[in-house]
Amino acid sequence: KNQVEQSPQSLIILEGKNCTLQCNYTVSPFSNLRWYKQDTGRGPVSLTIMTFSENTKSNGRYTATLDADTKQSSLHITASQLSDSASYICVVTLERPQAGTALIFGKGTTLSVSS
Amino acid sequence: GAVVSQHPSWVICKSGTSVKIECRSLDFQATTMFWYRQFPKQSLMLMATSNEGSKATYEQGVEKDKFLINHASLTLSTLTVTSAHPEDSSFYICSAHPGFTNYEQYFGPGTRLTVT
Repeated sequence: KNQVEQSPQSLIILEGKNCTLQCNYTVSPFSNLRWYKQDTGRGPVSLTIMTFSENTKSNGRYTATLDADTKQSSLHITASQLSDSASYICVVTLERPQAGTALIFGKGTTLSVSS
Repeated sequence: GAVVSQHPSWVICKSGTSVKIECRSLDFQATTMFWYRQFPKQSLMLMATSNEGSKATYEQGVEKDKFLINHASLTLSTLTVTSAHPEDSSFYICSAHPGFTNYEQYFGPGTRLTVT
């Protein structure tokens, strides 16, 4: 079954601290993995996209890693800010030869940054 | 660039009525648009994929006669929830794909539907 599992479910950190979010997936065939930030009541905003051949990608204070062999990814947030409080969603693209591509979403990790 | 808008941002309707949600790509042409539904504390779930000028492809378990999708132009797709019921209350999000190979889907801000 094509699934994306994220951990932890929620996380509370102090402003300025770093954190790492985890994503494990069983999606196959896999074409790329994305991390999105979703504020409450808003649509997701893309942070990074990695194909299976990429191991790491950065976007400012966000750094994503991918191990396609173990089917694991992580999102590292450096020097967190209050505005980082949001849900972070791991999304894996499933290639479906007969039905087109589909994005398989994890449930997200809810990050709360406090002062 | 790559902005996707949705209208309305929230809507309350009575059970049995129909509601239309618009999804527009504002600064690019979207060959493909996607419609998702998200229940509280749940993942986004793909409902259907629409390509401009052709019929939408619905995911398994999504009733095509209940959720009517029209992709009339390269910048506009609409989702009509027909004969809405309280269980249709959800957050509906569209995304648009530009068609060139950057794998990106740009998401709209979502529409909160509440059926009373």
